[in-house]
Amino acid sequence: EAGVTQFPSHSVIEKGQTVTLRCDPISGHDNLYWYRRVMGKEIKFLLHFVKESKQDESGMPNNRFLAERTGGTYSTLKVQPAELEDSGVYFCASSPRVLYAGELFFGEGSRLTVL
Amino acid sequence: QQQVKQSPQSLIVQKGGIPIINCAYENTAFDYFPWYQQFPGKGPALLIAIRPDVSEKKEGRFTISFNKSAKQFSLHIMDSQPGDSATYFCAASITGSSNTGKLIFGQGTTLQVKP
Repeated sequence: EAGVTQFPSHSVIEKGQTVTLRCDPISGHDNLYWYRRVMGKEIKFLLHFVKESKQDESGMPNNRFLAERTGGTYSTLKVQPAELEDSGVYFCASSPRVLYAGELFFGEGSRLTVL
Repeated sequence: QQQVKQSPQSLIVQKGGIPIINCAYENTAFDYFPWYQQFPGKGPALLIAIRPDVSEKKEGRFTISFNKSAKQFSLHIMDSQPGDSATYFCAASITGSSNTGKLIFGQGTTLQVKP
């Protein structure tokens, strides 16, 4: 069974440009989460989808970030326009149900570098 | 209130040693405390988890000790091996049907086990 896949693995862009990160969750997982880790700090929650609906987007930093999950399958996270402080590793995770005693399955992350 | 504080930031031990990583939280509503292990270039993966109704949980060489009154929990790695060298994250969550199950992570501990 394929795990959570993320693309691209690394993106280097100039300040002001746009980047779109993609996440393909494990097949059948209704719950999809985006997290971000900035330079050696904690992994911070960004948002949570259940199927195509946003359940919790309380962690989204500002309106330059837009997440979508059309059709309840893969998800995209767009940053427009990118700022220097957006640099970090963006992780996607999925689970078959809302976290109970189970686990989140993480992808390998998309490293974003904004110059 | 939503923070989880983790220490130390980095740790070096000799093979066979017992590294201990500590975490503390404030929010007494947290009821699920997992530890995630991350190898370089990979995503975090669930290692072991505990709920506050038990004071200790052991899985193989990994043990979580939980002190509910002190709002602290720790990870012990018995007979550590060079293959245990990784970054370890503690986390906390509020489970239950009314919550999204998002994880609040600590800052991470980079562990190096020397041969």
